[in-house]
Amino acid sequence: SQTIHQWPATLVQPVGSPLSLECTVEGTSNPNLYWYRQAAGRGLQLLFYSVGIGQISSEVPQNLSASRPQDRQFILSSKKLLLSDSGFYLCASPQGQETQYFGPGTRLLVL
Amino acid sequence: GQSLEQPSEVTAVEGAIVQINCTYQTSGFYGLSWYQQHDGGAPTFLSYNALDGLEETGRFSSFLSRSDSYGYLLLQELQMKDSASYFCAVRDRGSSNTGKLIFGQGTTLQVKP
Repeated sequence: SQTIHQWPATLVQPVGSPLSLECTVEGTSNPNLYWYRQAAGRGLQLLFYSVGIGQISSEVPQNLSASRPQDRQFILSSKKLLLSDSGFYLCASPQGQETQYFGPGTRLLVL
Repeated sequence: GQSLEQPSEVTAVEGAIVQINCTYQTSGFYGLSWYQQHDGGAPTFLSYNALDGLEETGRFSSFLSRSDSYGYLLLQELQMKDSASYFCAVRDRGSSNTGKLIFGQGTTLQVKP
């Protein structure tokens, strides 16, 4: 079975600072990978997905970018954080045909 | 566009039965999924319906009516630990190789003693 690691678990950053969140996957090869953001008390918004190394699709225009430098590594970045970037960031990968397995998430607070 | 609607909050007492509804509008449909998320945690998969009818897994059941674009999650013999947010989700149109899911806004279930 697969395991998803996310780092860091929590992060407090000032407005205008850079960001790098990491997601690594074990137990599967060439997985589709997804970045979601969840604002407090809200649903899951898909930010990016990747079907392979170097392949990134953006779902919504925003202040963030994603990269997939290795098969099992997915990175979410920003050059300058905004207050609105605060939220719970979740990395996910398919588990079987119809389900997604989520990592533990990174809670980001931008002040 | 594609959208899912579910109630924002539901309250019930321990031992009771609660039903969380989900209606969807999609172009192309592969099935309806349900996820549970406890406060501060990640969503976890509960159930999936591709065909009409009821799927039962222990105290939880999920129902789908494709003709009505409607489904529900039924939780029986409620326990305090069932207090969580519940999300319905559908596969995105054209997601045969991407597996993208569209999530509802979630229903917060509060179980009271």
